[in-house]
Amino acid sequence: SQELEQSPQSLIVQEGKNLTINCTSSKTLYGLYWYKQKYGEGLIFLMMLQKGGEEKSHEKITAKLDEKKQQSSLHITASQPSHAGIYLCGAESIQGAQKLVFGQGTRLTINP
Amino acid sequence: GAVVSQHPSWVICKSGTSVKIECRSLDFQATTMFWYRQFPKQSLMLMATSNEGSKATYEQGVEKDKFLINHASLTLSTLTVTSAHPEDSSFYICSARDSPIYTQYFGPGTRLTVL
Repeated sequence: SQELEQSPQSLIVQEGKNLTINCTSSKTLYGLYWYKQKYGEGLIFLMMLQKGGEEKSHEKITAKLDEKKQQSSLHITASQPSHAGIYLCGAESIQGAQKLVFGQGTRLTINP
Repeated sequence: GAVVSQHPSWVICKSGTSVKIECRSLDFQATTMFWYRQFPKQSLMLMATSNEGSKATYEQGVEKDKFLINHASLTLSTLTVTSAHPEDSSFYICSARDSPIYTQYFGPGTRLTVL
């Protein structure tokens, strides 16, 4: 089965600093999703990547999928307190299977 | 983006009772919905895939007789936790896939506490 490894598991950054979260798999990633979750709440969809080398941006968040489709990164520029939360990467375990397996999450804290 | 709702948002019940959780896609139709479970400070674990008009597909280790899933329409799936016990206390989250975009959207979750 597919396993997703996220790093780091937790991250504390000063407001205004940039940061990167990584998601790595030993197998090819199909439909790589990034979500944000606040404790006790649902998941907010951020971005989905499908093609090797694909990169998407929304506001100050950029997600990339490497050419081999085994690693994805989420980069936040000029972090703000509103970026705090748990970031989860998820991927289809089998191409077209729709169901997602998730990484363990990265807990992001932004210090003012 | 598409919206998925869940009801109730939280529920407390006595051991031995059954609890039903609803998951609705509000502005799109979803032939497939998914039910996840999340323990504190842990990631999401897929429980089952809910298919409209057919039986749900359960993940290994999930008791289908305990977690009853019904996908009666293209916008509604329900999860019933039967004869709930304290170990069933958890955060249950559903998701639905918006077919044209093939993006999975998640509900806000339901926190179940079994006393």
